[in-house]
Amino acid sequence: DTGVSQDPRHKITKRGQNVTFRCDPISEHNRLYWYRQTLGQGPEFLTYFQNEAQLEKSRLLSDRFSAERPKGSFSTLEIQRTEQGDSAMYLCASSLALEGYEQYFGPGTRLTVT
Amino acid sequence: AQSVAQPEDQVNVAEGNPLTVKCTYSVSGNPYLFWYVQYPNRGLQFLLKYITGDNLVKGSYGFEAEFNKSQTSFHLKKPSALVSDSALYFCAVRDDGAGFQKLVFGTGTRLLVSP
Repeated sequence: DTGVSQDPRHKITKRGQNVTFRCDPISEHNRLYWYRQTLGQGPEFLTYFQNEAQLEKSRLLSDRFSAERPKGSFSTLEIQRTEQGDSAMYLCASSLALEGYEQYFGPGTRLTVT
Repeated sequence: AQSVAQPEDQVNVAEGNPLTVKCTYSVSGNPYLFWYVQYPNRGLQFLLKYITGDNLVKGSYGFEAEFNKSQTSFHLKKPSALVSDSALYFCAVRDDGAGFQKLVFGTGTRLLVSP
């Protein structure tokens, strides 16, 4: 069990640029989640997938954000036309599709928009 | 709507003393409750959960938590704190309904254990 991995760990970009993050879940986990965490706050839910289907999206996920999980394994989160307010830690988590099963988090990708 | 409150931004305790980190919640149905710990520049590590059954649940690193339905609380406890327990602790809740998969987190409580 190698845990949830995320790439890159850090990303610095200029306002207006597009960025893409990758998440590789624990191999047998069929649910995958994205959260965003800003300084001094707890993680906030963005979206989740069961296998390749995106089943829920938060209102935080504006039109500039898109997430995919094309083959039900890894996932990507893309932010278009980044804004300074997008600066945050983006966390990925995965779990089994069992009632009450806990989510396991990756180390996160820290995005800084200058 | 689901919500979590962690009323203390920081808890200070001396090594060897018992610790408590408080959490209260609100859900429309039955709660699934979780505690996570976060070390600097790291993701969240799962500590323990309450789904159903015994109100006292035990987790990793000697931590335990007590579910109290009447007080809608799920406080994290440890009988004897270690300096290495110093970290940021998050309580999270979700409704037990099948359509509710997202976790709602509190704002976190920083635990500082002094030698």
